[in-house]
Amino acid sequence: GAGVSQSPSNKVTEKGKDVELRCDPISGHTALYWYRQSLGQGLEFLIYFQGNSAPDKSGLPSDRFSAERTGGSVSTLTIQRTQQEDSAVYLCASSLQQSPLHFGNGTRLTVT
Amino acid sequence: RKEVEQDPGPFNVPEGATVAFNCTYSNSASQSFFWYRQDCRKEPKLLMSVYSSGNEDGRFTAQLNRASQYISLLIRDSKLSDSATYLCVVNRRGGSARQLTFGSGTQLTVLP
Repeated sequence: GAGVSQSPSNKVTEKGKDVELRCDPISGHTALYWYRQSLGQGLEFLIYFQGNSAPDKSGLPSDRFSAERTGGSVSTLTIQRTQQEDSAVYLCASSLQQSPLHFGNGTRLTVT
Repeated sequence: RKEVEQDPGPFNVPEGATVAFNCTYSNSASQSFFWYRQDCRKEPKLLMSVYSSGNEDGRFTAQLNRASQYISLLIRDSKLSDSATYLCVVNRRGGSARQLTFGSGTQLTVLP
């Protein structure tokens, strides 16, 4: 069946521009996570959505980062006024509650 | 102290060797445990869950030691295709909605 889909797969943007990253989770999965991974580093938690509950935004590194999940399905991660240190792979994952995560292929963001 | 700690490696082993990785976790409320593998420039993928009684999947064996708060992964008869980074993941119930914590990964290279 269809897995987690992320778009775009690659994004190059100029410093100061806003970007939107999209995640389509597996149908029926109630939990959705955003992580980012810098080259050679581990996964850094950003935000977590679970059903209709208020999202856990505790991992967002600054107020330039925001995310929403519409209708309990598609999620968008927005980064405003991008900085070079925002360059990373942004990974989305979904799961049924308490079950293992299924990751998308990620969006490789490069801020020049 | 990190909530989940792994030896980063790298582990360089010859084909056919047996190799083991450990992962320690600090939160005794941790409920479930997983090993993921991540190939270079790819997304993490679930390798196996770790059950209390230990479990085996082909050449891979996972063990859990709750008393000492560590999990292990043993790979027998290693193949070139096993070369990857292995991520330990710990899931705790209750408290923050941010339940899943990833280790930084252990890098394995299987040499011909």
